[in-house]
This record gives sequence, structure tokens and C-alpha cells, in this order.
Amino acid sequence: GDSVTQMEGPVTLSEEACLTINCTYTATGYPSLFWYVQYPGEGLQLLLKATKADDKGSNKGFEATYRKETTSFHLEKGSVQVSDSAVYFCALSDQAGSYQLTFGKGTKLSVIP
Amino acid sequence: DAGVIQSPRHEVTEMGQEVTLRCKPISGHDYLFWYRQTMMRGLELLIYFNNNVPIDDSGMPEDRFSAKMPNASFSTLKIQPSEPRDSAVYFCASSLSNTEAFFGQGTRLTVV
Repeated sequence: GDSVTQMEGPVTLSEEACLTINCTYTATGYPSLFWYVQYPGEGLQLLLKATKADDKGSNKGFEATYRKETTSFHLEKGSVQVSDSAVYFCALSDQAGSYQLTFGKGTKLSVIP
Repeated sequence: DAGVIQSPRHEVTEMGQEVTLRCKPISGHDYLFWYRQTMMRGLELLIYFNNNVPIDDSGMPEDRFSAKMPNASFSTLKIQPSEPRDSAVYFCASSLSNTEAFFGQGTRLTVV
């Protein structure tokens, strides 16, 4: 079945540091890939997505590129802020028709001033 | 639109009691998902509906769990009887066909 593996953290960075959260996936078809963010006490919000190989999703300074050859979708940001502190989830959606999301375990990011 | 609305936000109940969680999806969305989030297992899909019809309930842990969607604007997840291991945050999400899912704020369930 489909699965997503991401670094579990927690990750603690100083403000303005570079961020990379690794994500790799296993899927039988050609999935869409997502990064969701969960702020404390909130539900999940879509951060960015990519629907086919070599697509780059980007939002709020975050980027991730769909790499089919390495089955990866790593999340990157060049300069993190305290407000980026949250839990980040990598996910995939099987485009074969079910549209359900399979999530990684989540990576907690804490950014300190 | 107010987004996906879940109620209650917090629920504390005693073991053996019936618990009902409620969800109002975004108007016009044709998919509705119920997820459970725990520290040990992360986010797990329990069941999802398409046009009010349950499509895949293979994630429902056992017969104590049931979900219904009587119309396009309302769904319930029921646990009867509840057990301490059911303690988790339960999320409802909705989407329009093959687009991103929008999540509610979740219901934190504590079974004592």
C-alpha cells in the first residue's frame, strides 16, 4: 500500500536559519503530493502541493519539488521565522480514484528568536 | 464559507459511554473524510464518503465505531461503547473531487 516517511524531529532552529524536512513516499500509481501544516490547537492547513513529476509547489517562502526518480518531496525554506513553528505533515493522494490522503507521522518545528 | 465545522471541540467521557462527534463540511464539497490523530499512530483515515455514500471504512478500528452521513451537510462519528484507548483528536475534512482537503479544527476526545 501507499506510505509516506518523513523525518520525525523535533527540529529546533534559530530564526533565519535554513529548513529542510525530508519526505519520501511509496505509491503504486502517480500520486499527488502535499505538505500540510498544523499550528498549535488548530486543524491541518494545506501549505503546498504538486501533482506531477518535476512540479514545484511553493507558498509563504516554502518550496518542495516532486522528484519521481527519488520518490521524494522535501520541504525547504531559506529563512524561517518564529511564526513558522508548527507541525508539518507530508502526504500523498492516490490519483487512482480514492482521493484519500496518506500522511507521514509529522515533524514538529520550533523556531527560537 | 466558514470552513469545516466540528463539534464539540473537546469531549471528556467515561469508559463505556456513547460518544458522538459531528461535522459540517464545506458547502458543495462531495467528499468527506474522518481522521484520527494520536501520538503513537499519527493521522489515520477512518472512513470517507462520496456524495453521502460510505466508500471505504477499512480504517474503522472495530465495530464500536460507526459513521453516517444522512445528507450533504452533516456527518457523525459514533463510538459505542467508548474505551480509554479511543482518546485522540478526531478530524473531519472535506474536498471537492480531486482537490485539496480542508480540515476542521478537530475534536479532542478523552475517555477516562
